Amino acid sequence: DTGVSQDPRHKITKRGQNVTFRCDPISEHNRLYWYRQTLGQGPEFLTYFQNEAQLEKSRLLSDRFSAERPKGSFSTLEIQRTEQGDSAMYLCASSLRGYDGELFFGEGSRLTVL
Amino acid sequence: RKEVEQDPGPFNVPEGATVAFNCTYSNSASQSFFWYRQDCRKEPKLLMSVYSSGNEDGRFTAQLNRASQYISLLIRDSKLSDSATYLCVVNSLSMPGGGADGLTFGKGTHLIIQP
Repeated sequence: DTGVSQDPRHKITKRGQNVTFRCDPISEHNRLYWYRQTLGQGPEFLTYFQNEAQLEKSRLLSDRFSAERPKGSFSTLEIQRTEQGDSAMYLCASSLRGYDGELFFGEGSRLTVL
Repeated sequence: RKEVEQDPGPFNVPEGATVAFNCTYSNSASQSFFWYRQDCRKEPKLLMSVYSSGNEDGRFTAQLNRASQYISLLIRDSKLSDSATYLCVVNSLSMPGGGADGLTFGKGTHLIIQP
């Protein structure tokens, strides 16, 4: 499978715990995005990377959230001290610079915070 | 006013009918526009880009009205498999928080095609 893959697909955790999600983009894509989606809403932008550089982070993003893409390939999104409001689907997407508008999404990592 | 607004629906439409829905955007500097499709519990996928002159892809037609700041999607001869949520996406590079491509997603319009 050469699409975007995310792991784990589902995560249930208790409030206050830390969680980490991994995303493996399409190999030749140099841009990688993280989005969050809750029921009845469209995807909400969190952050994006061009190669290994994190170029933008949403102003709405709490400092409990951190993302890395150390070698410009896979990326991780960590949420520290999770809260119930963090429960959502976390979507990773990748794209090729210059290919206007088409993001290739992974199937997402669903987080449930109890 | 929200950046990208859509009627959430649901739109319940009999199979074979034609259905259309609109999306309005607030930033007049928006440069490009897209429709994404999202099936239940699946990831969004690009359905089609929306060009200034309008464009058609099989049973799907997308239109852009810059003066009124809306885009539309028309589906003809609807199929059961068209049941999904349709996300309007607007690229506004001057809008912070949208990432490299300034892509802002609407909440989506839920379409149900009934047999």
